[in-house]
Amino acid sequence: DAGVIQSPRHEVTEMGQEVTLRCKPISGHDYLFWYRQTMMRGLELLIYFNNNVPIDDSGMPEDRFSAKMPNASFSTLKIQPSEPRDSAVYFCASSLDRFHSSYNEQFFGPGTRLTVL
Amino acid sequence: TQLLEQSPQFLSIQEGENLTVYCNSSSVFSSLQWYRQEPGEGPVLLVTVVTGGEVKKLKRLTFQFGDARKDSSLHITAAQPGDTGLYLCAGAQTSGTYKYIFGTGTRLKVLA
Repeated sequence: DAGVIQSPRHEVTEMGQEVTLRCKPISGHDYLFWYRQTMMRGLELLIYFNNNVPIDDSGMPEDRFSAKMPNASFSTLKIQPSEPRDSAVYFCASSLDRFHSSYNEQFFGPGTRLTVL
Repeated sequence: TQLLEQSPQFLSIQEGENLTVYCNSSSVFSSLQWYRQEPGEGPVLLVTVVTGGEVKKLKRLTFQFGDARKDSSLHITAAQPGDTGLYLCAGAQTSGTYKYIFGTGTRLKVLA
């Protein structure tokens, strides 16, 4: 398996523009997570899905952020409109259905580095 | 929200030295994980500890979960340049939805 795939790897955009980040989880994984990493705030969970259904979106910063998972092999994180403070590395991760067991593991993608000018 | 503080934030040491990284919280976690992240990549799981007082070894790395399951430590013996990276602890919170809260991170640099 190729692991978790994210695209694009780098995105530079101007304030006010719409940004869409994409993720393909590992085949067979039932959980998908979106994280944001910055120097100031570290790695923060934004939202996670189980079997394509959003379970916890309490980490989504505000209404400008939205995430979808139309099927088991694809998810998007959209920011509209984008702001400079959204600049960060966004990670997607996936996990097997035993996520709620003690010995689970999240497999992270390589991340998308977003810069909003 | 449960918080995890890691110390030190930054550590630069010579090859061959030993070091310990700490992960502390005032909250209890049902389990705790340690990840290592290299530049340009996502975090990779190193270990999961579940039982209070549990000790796990992974080659030169020794992980310990506190008796009260509120803290953890990572000890590296004879550090090597390949150990360089960002070390993150992550605790499984015990309230609300099941999810992992990540610590603030320790950035380690091992000089040859």
